[in-house]
Amino acid sequence: NAGVTQTPKFQVLKTGQSMTLQCAQDMNHNSMYWYRQDPGMGLRLIYYSASEGTTDKGEVPNGYNVSRLNKREFSLRLESAAPSQTSVYFCASKLAGGLVNEQFFGPGTRLTVL
Amino acid sequence: KNQVEQSPQSLIILEGKNCTLQCNYTVSPFSNLRWYKQDTGRGPVSLTIMTFSENTKSNGRYTATLDADTKQSSLHITASQLSDSASYICVVSVNTNAGKSTFGDGTTLTVKP
Repeated sequence: NAGVTQTPKFQVLKTGQSMTLQCAQDMNHNSMYWYRQDPGMGLRLIYYSASEGTTDKGEVPNGYNVSRLNKREFSLRLESAAPSQTSVYFCASKLAGGLVNEQFFGPGTRLTVL
Repeated sequence: KNQVEQSPQSLIILEGKNCTLQCNYTVSPFSNLRWYKQDTGRGPVSLTIMTFSENTKSNGRYTATLDADTKQSSLHITASQLSDSASYICVVSVNTNAGKSTFGDGTTLTVKP
């Protein structure tokens, strides 16, 4: 049981380049999330998918797009990377419903945009 | 606006000592509050989860308290170890289907020998 996996672990892009961050979970969770974490700041929600087939904007969606490919996979795409998108990106998943709804996080992708 | 504020921003203690981290929130409607531990270079890992009716929850040397009336929580670490050095994040979730969460900025704890 791998939990939440993310690829790649590290990435360096030039301004204007595009890339897709991949996330997969094997816990049969319904909800999946993408966050970014900047130094000294809390995690901020970029996009989330409450269930397969649905996606919604979070707090900081500009410059990003997402795809919920199936129940297991949730990808984050940067169409034209900017230096302001330099950050650590975390994917998380959660079994929707119920009061105790813990999110399980992946190891993160460290992205640098030059 | 839903907010979660943590204090102190950073803390240095000696191995074996106790410490308490604070979390104040204005999130509504409240569903639950979680404390996460995030080691450097890793994703956050849940320590405790508390719902509205729970006042305290323990996980080994970690004890979290919740006062839903004053909207305050604390995380007490007993007999600290070097491995406790990490960022501790308070997360409050709203009572909706997606259970969206508001994250505090975290308290960075350094335990020195």
